[in-house]
Amino acid sequence: GENVEQHPSTLSVQEGDSAVIKCTYSDSASNYFPWYKQELGKRPQLIIDIRSNVGEKKDQRIAVTLNKTAKHFSLHITETQPEDSAVYFCAASRTGGGNKLTFGTGTQLKVEL
Amino acid sequence: GAVVSQHPSWVICKSGTSVKIECRSLDFQATTMFWYRQFPKQSLMLMATSNEGSKATYEQGVEKDKFLINHASLTLSTLTVTSAHPEDSSFYICSARYPGIGNQPQHFGDGTRLSIL
Repeated sequence: GENVEQHPSTLSVQEGDSAVIKCTYSDSASNYFPWYKQELGKRPQLIIDIRSNVGEKKDQRIAVTLNKTAKHFSLHITETQPEDSAVYFCAASRTGGGNKLTFGTGTQLKVEL
Repeated sequence: GAVVSQHPSWVICKSGTSVKIECRSLDFQATTMFWYRQFPKQSLMLMATSNEGSKATYEQGVEKDKFLINHASLTLSTLTVTSAHPEDSSFYICSARYPGIGNQPQHFGDGTRLSIL
């Protein structure tokens, strides 16, 4: 089955700096990669997703890049703000896999003033 | 759009009690819903896939007789933890697959914190 690794497990940045979180996946058939943000005790919220037919997607301060050959994808947050502090999870799924998501282990992002 | 409601948000009950958790998609129809379990500071672990009108598909190691899932309509799935024990205490979260062809986003409920005394 699919295995998703995520790094780093914790990330501390100064407000205004950029943050990058990286994930690798094992199943070459995976073709959908969402990113979720989860604040303490709350629901995971979809912040951006990318499909395997594109290499990059951007939404304001958030961008995701995908390298299918290397089987890794990354989340980039620019101009970080304190409200960006949360746990971020990457995930992967493939067509025909029942739409099941395999999640990474999560990254605790802390944006310091 | 894409709102998923989960109830209750918090349950405290005695060992041996059965607990039912509801997951509703409020503004879209979801033929597929998912149930996850999350331990503190850990990732989401898929327990089962709930398909409307058919039996749920359980992940390896999840006891189907322990965690009963019913998906009787396009907007409601329920998870019943039967004869709950302290080791079942956890944060349970549901998600609903947005309709469409191929992979679609999953939208999550607020979760249910279950504490078994």
